[in-house]
Amino acid sequence: GENVEQHPSTLSVQEGDSAVIKCTYSDSASNYFPWYKQELGKRPQLIIDIRSNVGEKKDQRIAVTLNKTAKHFSLHITETQPEDSAVYFCAASVGGGKLIFGQGTELSVKP
Amino acid sequence: KAGVTQTPRYLIKTRGQQVTLSCSPISGHRSVSWYQQTPGQGLQFLFEYFSETQRNKGNFPGRFSGRQFSNSRSEMNVSTLELGDSALYLCASSPLPREAHRQPQHFGDGTRLSIL
Repeated sequence: GENVEQHPSTLSVQEGDSAVIKCTYSDSASNYFPWYKQELGKRPQLIIDIRSNVGEKKDQRIAVTLNKTAKHFSLHITETQPEDSAVYFCAASVGGGKLIFGQGTELSVKP
Repeated sequence: KAGVTQTPRYLIKTRGQQVTLSCSPISGHRSVSWYQQTPGQGLQFLFEYFSETQRNKGNFPGRFSGRQFSNSRSEMNVSTLELGDSALYLCASSPLPREAHRQPQHFGDGTRLSIL
């Protein structure tokens, strides 16, 4: 069935370091891949997304890469700051308004 | 522009009862999706509505149902509540251009449902 695997489940980095979160999807028909950031007690917030006709997308300190052949996509955060600490979710769209989410990565940025 | 609004924010029910949650999408958004978020299962898709019709459905029992009104507002209903239904229920809306399946979804703050 449709599935998205996300790793690691927890990630701790020093302020200023880079953080990388990886996801693998199972449905080869998936063609839209958003990333959400969820702070404790708050709603998931879309931080970046990528469509299947693009291999990489950047927005300031955040970038996402997509490898359709391997069914793999990754989130890269550079120059991490304490306010980047949150749970990050990857997702894949399998049609319409249906998103399949990964299990989440709890990122901790230590000052 | 106002965001996605969910009511109520918190709800406490007992087993066997039923509950109705409400979601008002961002103005102009016509697609509404519902998700259940729990610590153990993460974010799971419940269903999606567009133009008052259910377009997609997740793997939840028939006790979970929903509907959408002509103004795009949506409700979900859970009947015969079980302890395992305790969760944060999130609603997300997106516009519906030609490529709706590749449009961002914006989430509301959710309804925290606790079953005693």
